[in-house]
Amino acid sequence: EIVLTQSPATLSLSPGERATLSCRASQSVTSYLAWYQQKPGQAPRLLIYDASNRATGIPARFSGSGSGTDFTLTISSLEPEDFAVYYCQQRSNWPPLLTFGGGTTVEIK
Amino acid sequence: QLQLQESGPGLVKPSETLSLTCTVSVGSISRNLYFWGWIRQPPGKGLEWIGSVYSSGSTYHNPSLKSRVTISVDTSKNQFSLRVSSVTAADTAVYYCAKHRGYGDLYYMDVWGKGTTVTVSS
Repeated sequence: EIVLTQSPATLSLSPGERATLSCRASQSVTSYLAWYQQKPGQAPRLLIYDASNRATGIPARFSGSGSGTDFTLTISSLEPEDFAVYYCQQRSNWPPLLTFGGGTTVEIK
Repeated sequence: QLQLQESGPGLVKPSETLSLTCTVSVGSISRNLYFWGWIRQPPGKGLEWIGSVYSSGSTYHNPSLKSRVTISVDTSKNQFSLRVSSVTAADTAVYYCAKHRGYGDLYYMDVWGKGTTVTVSS
């Protein structure tokens, strides 16, 4: 099973600052990695898929990069509504098994 | 716009079977060539993929749940369902249904239901 490790666990930042979140896979997932945002009491929302493609309706301040085992989600300038928990997710090739990272909480400093 | 809605009992006794249904609004499951999935989140914890079903009925599931999980699709009702047998307190979670993003694509989930809380307790 491919394990995804996210860091840091918590990121304390102010609105307007840049957020950089990391996701490391225990083995290569090529570019098959997604990022989700989850706010309290809500379902996750797909932000980025295939490592760097923004999902429909996602603002340009969200960007993803990386391949292989190291991936990054960057929020260029935090808006108040961006404070949330972020999860990365991959799907192993065969047998298909979807796994999520443990999450990074972006909190207001 | 496609929406998903989970339904089912909020309380299940230990050793019994948890049964949930997800109703798909807009479009037909049988014509939409998508995978439909179930994901759960224990209180205060992260996300766990349970399994997914294709519009044809083919399924894939997380081996960590072994043979306790059954996922099926009912095209006549535009619904797909989850059954988890022999539940314990560890199965207490918010259960989400979701649509996978692309045709025949089991990778990512781009539409989610609001989630339903299931508590396992006597």
